[in-house]
This record gives sequence, C-alpha cells and structure tokens, in this order.
Amino acid sequence: DTAVSQTPKYLVTQMGNDKSIKCEQNLGHDTMYWYKQDSKKFLKIMFSYNNKELIINETVPNRFSPKSPDKAHLNLHINSLELGDSAVYFCASSHYQETQYFGPGTRLLVL
Amino acid sequence: RKEVEQDPGPFNVPEGATVAFNCTYSNSASQSFFWYRQDCRKEPKLLMSVYSSGNEDGRFTAQLNRASQYISLLIRDSKLSDSATYLCVVRPDNAGNMLTFGGGTRLMVKP
Repeated sequence: DTAVSQTPKYLVTQMGNDKSIKCEQNLGHDTMYWYKQDSKKFLKIMFSYNNKELIINETVPNRFSPKSPDKAHLNLHINSLELGDSAVYFCASSHYQETQYFGPGTRLLVL
Repeated sequence: RKEVEQDPGPFNVPEGATVAFNCTYSNSASQSFFWYRQDCRKEPKLLMSVYSSGNEDGRFTAQLNRASQYISLLIRDSKLSDSATYLCVVRPDNAGNMLTFGGGTRLMVKP
C-alpha cells in the first residue's frame, strides 16, 4: 500500500557507469518530481512532470534524463556517473500545486 | 545569499520544553509557505502549511511575517518523538509547484 515507491533503495556504483532509478506512485497524482539531497542536507528540485510533460527543469547536467512513461511513473537515468552525483535522490508526487508526498529516497554512492 | 535560510542547530531541549525555529526567505514574491519534518534517513513529510494570519495544529504554531520575510515554528511541550530536522519550505509563485527548501534545523529532545 506504499504511496510513492522508489527502486533501488541503495545504489553503489563506479564512476563512469550509467544507472537508473525508478519511481512509482499509486495516489492518482498528475505531477511528479525528482529532488536531490546532498551531503549538506539541502534538498533541491531537479525536474517536475505534469501529465507526462516536463514543466520544471532546473540547472542539472544533461547527463541526467528523466522519463515519464505514464502519470504514475517517473524514472531518472544518469549517464557517466561522477563522484559529485553521490546523494540521496527523492521522488515526490502531488496533484498540481498541492501537497507533495515524497518517496523513501535512493541513496546513491559513486566510487 | 541562500533563498531560504535556517539555523542548522542542533537545538537540544528537555522533554516538555517550548522551542522556536526561525526561517528567512529572500524572494518577496513567494506565495506559499510550509514546514516539513524529516526524520533521520527518511523522506520529508509535510508538518503544516503556514498561513498569513498564523495557524496552530495541536502543539505546533506557525507564523508568517511577509514584511520581514520571516517564518517561525513554535513547538510546545516537546516530546521525544519530536526529534527530527524541520525544513522551512517556500513556493515562489503559484505558476508552478516548485518548492525551495531551507537546509533544515535539527531538534533533539532529551528525556
């Protein structure tokens, strides 16, 4: 009965690899988000999709590519991983302009 | 200057104490304000919205001062379970749903 779920929960990988993180929500929301929380705990928006269309795209390297196959899913693909990509990535969802509900996070460690 | 600034703490208080957190934001066009709570290694969760007239939810009181661009959260009769990081969150405008998070204030309630 998880509302917003992410896989994997932990991801340890080598620099230069390509990896994906998946997010699914069963709340019937039309908007989904990706946030990055770095080691200093600052949580920053990366992307937002509304009805499968990109509506927010903050200054993020183009190695990061979100994909929304349908309203309930928003995946994040990262190419050529770098040390600085190590962080916790949170997916969230909401009805447009309403309260955002966060997933449990994916802890990414790039070695 | 950060868009949303908070004292990182930690605030160490005994059970039953009253504690107040403050937050300042730089964008005077900000429309919506929230306090989120984040437990250690967990996702952020909405604690309460902050309304212009101030609002209360049980032991929690939130205040907004638009002139000073200042938000506060007061917790009365602190419980051990209140120990967490409290995130001040601002939505710059109502054209989108982009949330700007402060770095959080850590609260530790001791027996």
